[in-house]
Amino acid sequence: SAVISQKPSRDICQRGTSLTIQCQVDSQVTMMFWYRQQPGQSLTLIATANQGSEATYESGFVIDKFPISRPNLTFSTLTVSNMSPEDSSIYLCSVLSVNEKLFFGSGTQLSVL
Amino acid sequence: DAKTTQPTSMDCAEGRAANLPCNHSTISGNEYVYWYRQIHSQGPQYIIHGLKNNETNEMASLIITEDRKSSTLILPHATLRDTAVYYCIVDSGGGADGLTFGKGTHLIIQP
Repeated sequence: SAVISQKPSRDICQRGTSLTIQCQVDSQVTMMFWYRQQPGQSLTLIATANQGSEATYESGFVIDKFPISRPNLTFSTLTVSNMSPEDSSIYLCSVLSVNEKLFFGSGTQLSVL
Repeated sequence: DAKTTQPTSMDCAEGRAANLPCNHSTISGNEYVYWYRQIHSQGPQYIIHGLKNNETNEMASLIITEDRKSSTLILPHATLRDTAVYYCIVDSGGGADGLTFGKGTHLIIQP
């Protein structure tokens, strides 16, 4: 199994500002993902964080709004830029283990005022 | 288009077996069936996955029909801590492209 630490666990932000969420894994992993879970909804994949290259974004998500860094095989960040109330969600980091299981962090609860 | 269909919610008495159905009538030959659950305020947790044979682990059993068009997740002795949203997912990539989560089944274990 993989142990994933996400920071911050929650935050309240003002409209127009940006927040960077950190994801730290206790072992090297090839695949890391970022998901969003809007209130009362299921999870939606934002992007795959690629080590050493630009992230791969899903339809509806763009780099300018959700820039992602992946400097090494144990760490990634997701930034939510120029926030609006519609960005209020839980953001989750996920990694794929060698036996094809996804492990998730506990998430970052973001509220935008 | 949804690849799986699950009931929105289910109740089960504590101590009884919880049987959660999933329909995946358009499943391809190389797609696995995965089950995850999400307890309130936590990230999803892997439960079990299988291709065509029935699978069992310490958490649950997975029964896949012979035609692979549906499956059932069985929690043999449900406890209150099993109250969660359970997601049935089909995927051929082993999760390498991320997994697509549907709406899932909200299982409520009643005392």
